[in-house]
Amino acid sequence: NAGVTQTPKFQVLKTGQSMTLQCAQDMNHEYMSWYRQDPGMGLRLIHYSVGAGITDQGEVPNGYNVSRSTTEDFPLRLLSAAPSQTSVYFCASSYGYSGNTIYFGEGSWLTVV
Amino acid sequence: GQQLNQSPQSMFIQEGEDVSMNCTSSSIFNTWLWYKQEPGEGPVLLIALYKAGELTSNGRLTAQFGITRKDSFLNISASIPSDVGIYFCAGRDNAGNMLTFGGGTRLMVKP
Repeated sequence: NAGVTQTPKFQVLKTGQSMTLQCAQDMNHEYMSWYRQDPGMGLRLIHYSVGAGITDQGEVPNGYNVSRSTTEDFPLRLLSAAPSQTSVYFCASSYGYSGNTIYFGEGSWLTVV
Repeated sequence: GQQLNQSPQSMFIQEGEDVSMNCTSSSIFNTWLWYKQEPGEGPVLLIALYKAGELTSNGRLTAQFGITRKDSFLNISASIPSDVGIYFCAGRDNAGNMLTFGGGTRLMVKP
């Protein structure tokens, strides 16, 4: 029972590099989202998707890109990494978005130097 | 955007003590959720609240959905060392698409 799987767990990038954080869920959930977690700021929504082919911006979308070609996968792309994007990133999924339980992945620790 | 204030930011308590934390919002929420996060892990859902005034328990944890729909409380009774972690509140508004998180309460328990 894998749940929500994120890779990589840890990554160090140089400023200006691009990379993709992978997220996959095996629960047939419609709703998937990406959050970043910074000290003292809780989790802030970057992008979300309510189904395959549909994505939308969250609270802090700048510098990130997403796509949802399948129900299972929701990759997050950093287009040109900046030190301000050093953070812990969490992918989450739920069956619906109207108050249903959200399941989080274990997180991806990203450092941009 | 929406503001969700969680307090206290941190607590250092003796094992066996009761704990209270709360969240207040600048706007009305239809759902309140409480999560616990342990080091190196993602948040795990503790309690979900869906109605104003609702009081729900999960073992030693009790959470309430405020009558005004702008606040929520989490209480932990008779704390134990494994309660250590960061507790987050989260609220969902009418639009339903976005979950707003509080800044977290870091709980430390001294045996």
